[in-house]
Amino acid sequence: DAGITQSPRHKVTETGTPVTLRCHQTENHRYMYWYRQDPGHGLRLIHYSYGVKDTDKGEVSDGYSVSRSKTEDFLLTLESATSSQTSVYFCAISPSGQANEKLFFGSGTQLSVL
Amino acid sequence: GNSVTQMEGPVTLSEEAFLTINCTYTATGYPSLFWYVQYPGEGLQLLLKATKADDKGSNKGFEATYRKETTSFHLEKGSVQVSDSAVYFCALSDPNSGNTPLVFGKGTRLSVIA
Repeated sequence: DAGITQSPRHKVTETGTPVTLRCHQTENHRYMYWYRQDPGHGLRLIHYSYGVKDTDKGEVSDGYSVSRSKTEDFLLTLESATSSQTSVYFCAISPSGQANEKLFFGSGTQLSVL
Repeated sequence: GNSVTQMEGPVTLSEEAFLTINCTYTATGYPSLFWYVQYPGEGLQLLLKATKADDKGSNKGFEATYRKETTSFHLEKGSVQVSDSAVYFCALSDPNSGNTPLVFGKGTRLSVIA
């Protein structure tokens, strides 16, 4: 257990509503990531952060925004949810973001947009 | 850009059968290579890794050898168990890509039947 908590674990929402997913870590790691997992696509990076207020886009960032106002929390926001954003969302962390370093993953948030 | 291609599943094997899951990669530099495993209802966890050519990663009876000449990192296990049923992801991280985090393959679902 790498001290990662994702909330909520499950969420059902309607198209057009805003949704915020939270990732909380107790390890004080610098790097945090948001991935989405979809059948046939594997894991795709949405956004990542390399420090407080330092974030960057990943492969599938359209329709998502993130914020990191303190080391332990990394928030993913869907400003206006669409059905294509129905997915399982995983948060991951790493101490230094080095290429040979492993990622620690949370247990995921299952999001359904109706 | 960097990418990972792994064999499509699902793969269904009988207990004690030999397992191979193929993984090939494309990278601009000399990446680190990983296999992650996802058990039902959980996040991903590192299974093994290799950071340079000809390195062999191993864990829990699984092995994979970093083959630069064939740009491959195939996962093998001599005798699978029902408890190995999971989704397996090949991934790479390129140290020449700055903060760019892991790139994952699409995953291969393994089902082992008794």
